[in-house]
Amino acid sequence: DGGITQSPKYLFRKEGQNVTLSCEQNLNHDAMYWYRQDPGQGLRLIYYSQIVNDFQKGDIAEGYSVSREKKESFPLTVTSAQKNPTAFYLCASSIEQGRSYNEQFFGPGTRLTVL
Amino acid sequence: AQSVSQHNHHVILSEAASLELGCNYSYGGTVNLFWYVQYPGQHLQLLLKYFSGDPLVKGIKGFEAEFIKSKFSFNLRKPSVQWSDTAEYFCAVTTNTGGFKTIFGAGTRLFVKA
Repeated sequence: DGGITQSPKYLFRKEGQNVTLSCEQNLNHDAMYWYRQDPGQGLRLIYYSQIVNDFQKGDIAEGYSVSREKKESFPLTVTSAQKNPTAFYLCASSIEQGRSYNEQFFGPGTRLTVL
Repeated sequence: AQSVSQHNHHVILSEAASLELGCNYSYGGTVNLFWYVQYPGQHLQLLLKYFSGDPLVKGIKGFEAEFIKSKFSFNLRKPSVQWSDTAEYFCAVTTNTGGFKTIFGAGTRLFVKA
């Protein structure tokens, strides 16, 4: 059953701690994305990756970091430098970046709460 | 900067009522347009998309959208909504510049009363 998995579903973190959100896809897609969803603001792009070992900053990359060592995996680290990290985080993929007509496929999301 | 505006944040309708959700974008060049839907407890998924050809696009579950280039709009319509259409709807635009990033609107929460 192809798709995107994100773990964990809920995550709690103390202030000052880094935390890593997992995203795995078995769709054989080249491109992967991380979005942050806040009420009333839609989805905002954090980072995206077109191919393995390459990634670019999105609109709100400050306080976040990513890696793309494998085609299937695109983990997101929320660092202590992120000032307002409590949010719902969505991972997505598409067949290839650079084709603006390709739709994105989304995972179930991770809700991060900073205590 | 490119942006996507969805006019209604919350919409409440009775079953069988007609639906139109507005979406406008700000970009003068070639665009590809999408509507995504997030049903309660489910993943965000594609409802329909436009990238060329007939500006009237039909999607899943009886939804359609019309691209009007002169108005920079891509409104979503359904002639008769059902309770199961209760969801959050996002309009999105991808352009051929800026790394082909997709810009999402703020979303519209639709509640259909049975």
